[in-house]
Amino acid sequence: GNSVTQMEGPVTLSEEAFLTINCTYTATGYPSLFWYVQYPGEGLQLLLKATKADDKGSNKGFEATYRKETTSFHLEKGSVQVSDSAVYFCALSDRDDYKLSFGAGTTVTVRA
Amino acid sequence: NAGVTQTPKFRVLKTGQSMTLLCAQDMNHEYMYWYRQDPGMGLRLIHYSVGEGTTAKGEVPDGYNVSRLKKQNFLLGLESAAPSQTSVYFCASSYSTPRKYFGPGTRLTVT
Repeated sequence: GNSVTQMEGPVTLSEEAFLTINCTYTATGYPSLFWYVQYPGEGLQLLLKATKADDKGSNKGFEATYRKETTSFHLEKGSVQVSDSAVYFCALSDRDDYKLSFGAGTTVTVRA
Repeated sequence: NAGVTQTPKFRVLKTGQSMTLLCAQDMNHEYMYWYRQDPGMGLRLIHYSVGEGTTAKGEVPDGYNVSRLKKQNFLLGLESAAPSQTSVYFCASSYSTPRKYFGPGTRLTVT
């Protein structure tokens, strides 16, 4: 079956630091990959996505590249802000199945 | 356009009590989902629906029932609540694509 493994948190950073959250997956076929973000007290929002190998998703300064050879979809941001403090979830979906499989989530706290 | 809304936002139940969580969406989505979120476990799919009048089991369906009588609503029922059902519950909806739109969540505590 499908599964997603994320680096464990929590992660605490200073403003303007570089952020990486590792995500690897196991899936049959060619899944679509996603990063969702959950700000405190809110539901999940789609941050970025990639639907095929070597695609790069990007949004709000965050980037992730779909690496089929390493089955990875690591999230990066070059300079974080306090407003980036949130829980980040990596997720995948089979092309023929619209259910999402989520990683455990990584809590990121950015200090001023 | 309210998106996905959930009622209630918070609830405390005693073991054995029942309740229904309501999810509503105004985006005319065919697909709707109920997830639970527990620390260190991400989101796990409880039940889902691919259209009005249809429901199906997800990863962790035991102890829950669902109904989709109207396209815009998806109800999650707990017939006899247990402390293991203490969690945050999220509803989501989508077109026939993987991208999901999530509600704000319901925090349920069972004592």
